[in-house]
Amino acid sequence: SQTIHQWPATLVQPVGSPLSLECTVEGTSNPNLYWYRQAAGRGLQLLFYSVGIGQISSEVPQNLSASRPQDRQFILSSKKLLLSDSGFYLCAWSPRLAYEQYFGPGTRLTVT
Amino acid sequence: AQTVTQSQPEMSVQEAETVTLSCTYDTSESDYYLFWYKQPPSRQMILVIRQEAYKQQNATENRFSVNFQKAAKSFSLKISDSQLGDAAMYFCAYRSLDMNRDDKIIFGKGTRLHILP
Repeated sequence: SQTIHQWPATLVQPVGSPLSLECTVEGTSNPNLYWYRQAAGRGLQLLFYSVGIGQISSEVPQNLSASRPQDRQFILSSKKLLLSDSGFYLCAWSPRLAYEQYFGPGTRLTVT
Repeated sequence: AQTVTQSQPEMSVQEAETVTLSCTYDTSESDYYLFWYKQPPSRQMILVIRQEAYKQQNATENRFSVNFQKAAKSFSLKISDSQLGDAAMYFCAYRSLDMNRDDKIIFGKGTRLHILP
């Protein structure tokens, strides 16, 4: 069966520091991958999605970036964090020929 | 552009009772998928139920069922015999079947469901 992992689970970082969140999927190949952010008590905001290695689509221009160095690995990065980057970050995957998305456990990021 | 609207930010239901969460959407497409996701306090999103627009029969998963009204663009979720573990934020979502469109799911803003013991 397929599983999706995210780490770290919780992260506290000072303003201006770099960020790297990692997401990996097991048990499938060539998945579509997504990064979402959820502010406290609010809905999901799609940040990036990828349909293949090195193929990244950005939904929201900001100081975040994403990379897909391997088929089942999706990384969310920032060179300098802002206070407004605080939130709950969710990674999701979708089978190539399916329409639903499956989510990871998420990373709670607090920028201080 | 497609939109998904959940007009009830919060709802409460007595344990063992039935509750219905509302969702409406706007689209010009004829083929699409609709979903309900559950986000419990752990905050991991869980797929509850899905509905293909070309199917007239309403989807059912155990205590969860939907009322899909395509003409009205309405997609409500009914939870029967509510349990304490059903307490969560519920998101309605839309996905186009048009392969030329971006591969994205559009989520509503969510409805927080409280279960009263």
